[in-house]
Amino acid sequence: ETGVTQTPRHLVMGMTNKKSLKCEQHLGHNAMYWYKQSAKKPLELMFVYNFKEQTENNSVPSRFSPECPNSSHLFLHLHTLQPEDSALYLCASSHRPVGAEAFFGQGTRLTVV
Amino acid sequence: GQQVMQIPQYQHVQEGEDFTTYCNSSTTLSNIQWYKQRPGGHPVFLIQLVKSGEVKKQKRLTFQFGEAKKNSSLHITATQTTDVGTYFCAVFSGGSYIPTFGRGTSLIVHP
Repeated sequence: ETGVTQTPRHLVMGMTNKKSLKCEQHLGHNAMYWYKQSAKKPLELMFVYNFKEQTENNSVPSRFSPECPNSSHLFLHLHTLQPEDSALYLCASSHRPVGAEAFFGQGTRLTVV
Repeated sequence: GQQVMQIPQYQHVQEGEDFTTYCNSSTTLSNIQWYKQRPGGHPVFLIQLVKSGEVKKQKRLTFQFGEAKKNSSLHITATQTTDVGTYFCAVFSGGSYIPTFGRGTSLIVHP
C-alpha cells in the first residue's frame, strides 16, 4: 500500500468507448502526475498538476483529458483511443513537484481493442 | 531535451553475484532518483542523490553520483532473488522539476 490508489486495475475498452481512470492519494501531497508505461518505451510523463493546476502537458493527444478537482484526486478521461494506447497508466504524487520523490499507484492496465 | 541512457538493458546473474546498473546523462544534472519496479508492480522510490560525488548505502545497495553530476550507478552486492525487478533512474536538470526516466535495467537473478 503506497497511499496512492488507482481504479480500475484493469480496463478493456473499444476504440469508440469513453472511460475514466481514477487516482486518489492519502498522503497530503500537492503534486499529482499521470505516466504512461509501454513495453518498449521509457516511462513517459503525460500530465502534472500542482495545487490542482495543470502545469505540464507533455504533448499528449487530446483523446486523453485529465481532470484534477482537488489535490487528492486525479482523473484521466479517455475517448476514441487507439490500440497503440494500450499500456500501463500510472498515477503518482509528491509533496512538491521540485525534485521530490514520487509515490506511484499500482497502475491501470489498459487494453484498447 | 534531456537525454538519459541506462545500461545494461538486461542483466542475468547467479544468486550471490554482484550487479551494477549505470545511468548516463548528456547534461549536468541537478539531482537523480532511483526506483525499483518488481514484475507486475509499480515503481517504488529507493533514493535521491543531490551532491557531486555523493555515495549512499542501503544495506546491500550502493548508490553513487558522479563528480561531474552527469552519471550515476546503483550497485547491489551479493544479489538475492528478492532483488529481481527493473531499476530505473530519473534525472532532473536545468532547474526543471520534470523527471526524465531511463529505460531501466531488468535484473534477473537465477537461484
